[in-house]
Amino acid sequence: NAGVTQTPKFRVLKTGQSMTLLCAQDMNHEYMYWYRQDPGMGLRLIHYSVGEGTTAKGEVPDGYNVSRLKKQNFLLGLESAAPSQTSVYFCASSVRTTENEKLFFGSGTQLSVL
Amino acid sequence: AQKITQTQPGMFVQEKEAVTLDCTYDTSDPSYGLFWYKQPSSGEMIFLIYQGSYDQQNATEGRYSLNFQKARKSANLVISASQLGDSAMYFCALRGSSASKIIFGSGTRLSIRP
Repeated sequence: NAGVTQTPKFRVLKTGQSMTLLCAQDMNHEYMYWYRQDPGMGLRLIHYSVGEGTTAKGEVPDGYNVSRLKKQNFLLGLESAAPSQTSVYFCASSVRTTENEKLFFGSGTQLSVL
Repeated sequence: AQKITQTQPGMFVQEKEAVTLDCTYDTSDPSYGLFWYKQPSSGEMIFLIYQGSYDQQNATEGRYSLNFQKARKSANLVISASQLGDSAMYFCALRGSSASKIIFGSGTRLSIRP
């Protein structure tokens, strides 16, 4: 089982360039999330999705867009990258039952914007 | 609005001692979930434990237990018999029921002394 896969793992951009981060999960999870983690800090929620075709804003959505055209994929786009978007980006998906819940994380994408 | 707070930026504990990591939260949702995650220096996010707001008993997973005090809105993580491998960042997270977004606290860096 691959779980949650993020591509790419590393990327360097110049200010103003655009890029898309791909998150894929093979667990048939409804919920998916994008977070960013700056050095020495916690995870901040960028956008999330509660099902195929849905997206919603998190805590820090400005400068990012997302799409969930297929249930297994959640894409994070940066239209015009800025140095402030230098961070580690984590994707996660979650399963929820009446008794338990768990977030499954990808391994992260290190993004540097010069 | 949801809020989650970890007030201990860092802690030092002697090996084999028990340790309590603090977490307080705020939500107006009638039902919600609380999580704890561990992030070692390798950067991966490791699930530790989950507590649902309607669960009558405190959650336990091996050496980890969650001290859930609903009236105080606290969800402290207790690690019994700490080990050197427990040295890591620890994050508390909250999932509400109205929006299903999951937000994280700022984390506590735990260091275990031999």
